[in-house]
Amino acid sequence: GAGVSQSPSNKVTEKGKDVELRCDPISGHTALYWYRQSLGQGLEFLIYFQGNSAPDKSGLPSDRFSAERTGGSVSTLTIQRTQQEDSAVYLCASSLGARGQGPGEQFFGPGTRLTVL
Amino acid sequence: AQTVTQSQPEMSVQEAETVTLSCTYDTSESDYYLFWYKQPPSRQMILVIRQEAYKQQNATENRFSVNFQKAAKSFSLKISDSQLGDAAMYFCAYRRTSGSRLTFGEGTQLTVNP
Repeated sequence: GAGVSQSPSNKVTEKGKDVELRCDPISGHTALYWYRQSLGQGLEFLIYFQGNSAPDKSGLPSDRFSAERTGGSVSTLTIQRTQQEDSAVYLCASSLGARGQGPGEQFFGPGTRLTVL
Repeated sequence: AQTVTQSQPEMSVQEAETVTLSCTYDTSESDYYLFWYKQPPSRQMILVIRQEAYKQQNATENRFSVNFQKAAKSFSLKISDSQLGDAAMYFCAYRRTSGSRLTFGEGTQLTVNP
C-alpha cells in the first residue's frame, strides 16, 4: 500500500491479557515510531527504530510494553498484562532517513484503538 | 525538556472566514523543526505545514500559513478561506534537528460552521 497501515483498527481486551499491535511502514522508510494518544496524557512518544540501530525505548511507560521491528520493516508493539490505563489510540509513523537528515516528515497510520475492560 | 503548549482547546470559524490557532513552545535548542498536523475523525494524522527554525521566512501552503516568532517561541497557524473539510483536531509539534521524536501540544479542536 501507499501509506502506513496498522492492524487491528480496534481491539477490545480484558484486563490482564496480552495484546499485539502491528504496523506496516511505507516501503523504503528506515525510521519507525510508535506514539500513544490518550485523553489524559495527549500524544506521547513511545519508541523509535532507525535501521539496524538499537531502538530508542525511552518513552515506554513500563516494562509491560515492548516492541520489535523485524527485517527493518514491520513492527509489533506488545503490551503484557494490560491495565485499564493502557486504553488509548496507538499510532505508528514512519519516515525516510536518519535523525538530523532534514525535517524527516513522519507519515502516520490510522492507529489502533485499544480498549481494556 | 521541550514542551509545546496550545492554549485553545476549541476554536470555531465561519466557512470562508479566517482563523488563527496558537502554539507556544519551550526549548533551549537553536535549531529545530515545527509542524502543524491535522487529525480528522478518521484518526489519520496529516501534515499541514512545517517550519525550519533557521528560516526567517514564514512557511505557507495554499490556504495555510504560519506566523513564526522565534524569539517569542511562538508558532501560530492561520487558515484562510476556511472550508468545512478543515474541521479537525490540530496539533502543533516540535522536533529537534538532531532528534527523532515529535513533541506534541494538547491539540485544538476546530469547528467550521456553514
